[in-house]
Amino acid sequence: AQSVTQLDSQVPVFEEAPVELRCNYSSSVSVYLFWYVQYPNQGLQLLLKYLSGSTLVKGINGFEAEFNKSQTSFHLRKPSVHISDTAEYFCAVSPPPSGYSTLTFGKGTMLLVSP
Amino acid sequence: EAGVTQSPTHLIKTRGQQATLRCSPISGHTSVYWYQQALGLGLQFLLWYDEGEERNRGNFPPRFSGRQFPNYSSELNVNALELEDSALYLCASSLAGFGHIRIGTEAFFGQGTRLTVV
Repeated sequence: AQSVTQLDSQVPVFEEAPVELRCNYSSSVSVYLFWYVQYPNQGLQLLLKYLSGSTLVKGINGFEAEFNKSQTSFHLRKPSVHISDTAEYFCAVSPPPSGYSTLTFGKGTMLLVSP
Repeated sequence: EAGVTQSPTHLIKTRGQQATLRCSPISGHTSVYWYQQALGLGLQFLLWYDEGEERNRGNFPPRFSGRQFPNYSSELNVNALELEDSALYLCASSLAGFGHIRIGTEAFFGQGTRLTVV
């Protein structure tokens, strides 16, 4: 079984500042890793995913994440945030090859960007 | 191209009633997944349908059931509603026939159905 811990339930940040949203996972097997974003009253949108290969993954909207196997982490970063990035962010893992049916999500981190 | 669509957007039911939620996947997607997003519990996997068959089920009681139709749309039924069933129910679809994640096969989520049990 796997689990996901998002260390911060809420992260306040000023516009144009950098941000890092932390995600640690626990799994006895190798995993696929994902970050999703949920805007108010919306469904989930995939930001980026790590399946294999380069540990630095670039996603949409200027976000990137780095897979660190030794620290079992997959932190999400953006060098300069905008007001429009205010949303809830979810980290998720899945053991290959079972796919989306066994996605385990973290509890989410609310990113609050203020002017 | 239309995304994953869910209906209704909001649903209010009384305890003990049945609720039916509907999901239309993206055209060409054969797999449909249902998740429950309850306050304080985060996102939890409910059901996975592919090619009309239930392929996997999360840790939910049997009163949560569903089906997938020949056009790949899906229904989630919740019987004997309890107050704790109040949540946002999200549907997702993907190309991967058996849910295997391959590069380029993303799962796309709908906007959800907000179920309120009073």
